[in-house]
Amino acid sequence: DVKVTQSSRYLVKRTGEKVFLECVQDMDHENMFWYRQDPGLGLRLIYFSYDVKMKEKGDIPEGYSVSREKKERFSLILESASTNQTSMYLCASSSTSGWEQYFGPGTRLTVT
Amino acid sequence: QQQVKQSPQSLIVQKGGISIINCAYENTAFDYFPWYQQFPGKGPALLIAIRPDVSEKKEGRFTISFNKSAKQFSLHIMDSQPGDSATYFCAADANFGNEKLTFGTGTRLTIIP
Repeated sequence: DVKVTQSSRYLVKRTGEKVFLECVQDMDHENMFWYRQDPGLGLRLIYFSYDVKMKEKGDIPEGYSVSREKKERFSLILESASTNQTSMYLCASSSTSGWEQYFGPGTRLTVT
Repeated sequence: QQQVKQSPQSLIVQKGGISIINCAYENTAFDYFPWYQQFPGKGPALLIAIRPDVSEKKEGRFTISFNKSAKQFSLHIMDSQPGDSATYFCAADANFGNEKLTFGTGTRLTIIP
């Protein structure tokens, strides 16, 4: 079974803190994605990566950055957390030879 | 700019009934249309997907109907069961799913006994 794990299920941070969200996949997938999920807005793509050290902006990259130093790991970074970044964050991975995206369980981040 | 519009936002259906969720898209380059199912506390998981060269795809009680000329596609759940209660997302992609997906806003489906 494909497994995508995220470092935390719940996270509470203060405004202005630097926040790291980690995602690891065990299926040797080339593609990895970070989404945020908000009620009524669905899933919105923040950043994605096709390969190690490669990254591309999604639809809502402002206030976020990413890092992919190893194929299995994709990190989302909030340089200075703000209250409007309170959300559910979902990581996903997929293979270039397939089409299904596999999601992790999500990290619910609260910024106070 | 929302490229995939999904309706309704929430849906309540009696057990045994048919649940129908609709999506419409604008980008004619889209060529892959998956539906994802998400249970509380879990990430979304692929339920069923279709390409525009067919008008319908069925897997068990789940059917996707696709209307290319109208740029619409829908998910039908036959004989809906309480275990189908979840949030459903339609999505679309160009390049046969090898790139980023554009998701709809989601439909919270509740099946009542």
